[in-house]
Amino acid sequence: SQQGEEDPQALSIQEGENATMNCSYKTSINNLQWYRQNSGRGLVHLILIRSNEREKHSGRLRVTLDTSKKSSSLLITASRAADTASYFCVNEAGSARQLTFGSGTQLTVLP
Amino acid sequence: GAGVSQTPSNKVTEKGKYVELRCDPISGHTALYWYRQSLGQGPEFLIYFQGTGAADDSGLPNDRFFAVRPEGSVSTLKIQRTERGDSAVYLCASSPRAPGTGELFFGEGSRLTVL
Repeated sequence: SQQGEEDPQALSIQEGENATMNCSYKTSINNLQWYRQNSGRGLVHLILIRSNEREKHSGRLRVTLDTSKKSSSLLITASRAADTASYFCVNEAGSARQLTFGSGTQLTVLP
Repeated sequence: GAGVSQTPSNKVTEKGKYVELRCDPISGHTALYWYRQSLGQGPEFLIYFQGTGAADDSGLPNDRFFAVRPEGSVSTLKIQRTERGDSAVYLCASSPRAPGTGELFFGEGSRLTVL
């Protein structure tokens, strides 16, 4: 089963706007991670939020975690054209098998 | 090297042929993962190594797929009797820690095309 499912599947915004992506997961959680993938490239780790944290910031990124709803959100503020990429969440529930990615959110930032 | 290295970056082969894909993880990383990614999809888990042993191979689709990591560093994913449906990008990732404890470092992938 997929341990991270992102929505929306696609998001298109203007440069300078904020982008919000959501992630839902099914089981218990150790930590939840967000990754970014530029077209045709490998995945790059963005941010990790632990199960006992509710919010975390890193530069223009803000991640929230609601364990009661089994959901997380990634906010990118003041978006740039270079933020155009696919974004994936992964729920690390302690098992390698569960390090499974969803289909991701394809973000397009228009200049 | 500084990151995870995968070779070849592109491989075109004919149906029925044998293929090997190589992954050189970050030095000292004990955990190594193989994923497969089809167009428009997220990476699909294949196999996980902790050291030299395959700790979890439950994602391998069938017995045509096999992976080794004989010295606990470089890993090779082997695909026998390739089929057109095997065409995908094969991603390797490594981590200094066991699953559930930290980020994965991905290579750029090996794009396999089976004609």
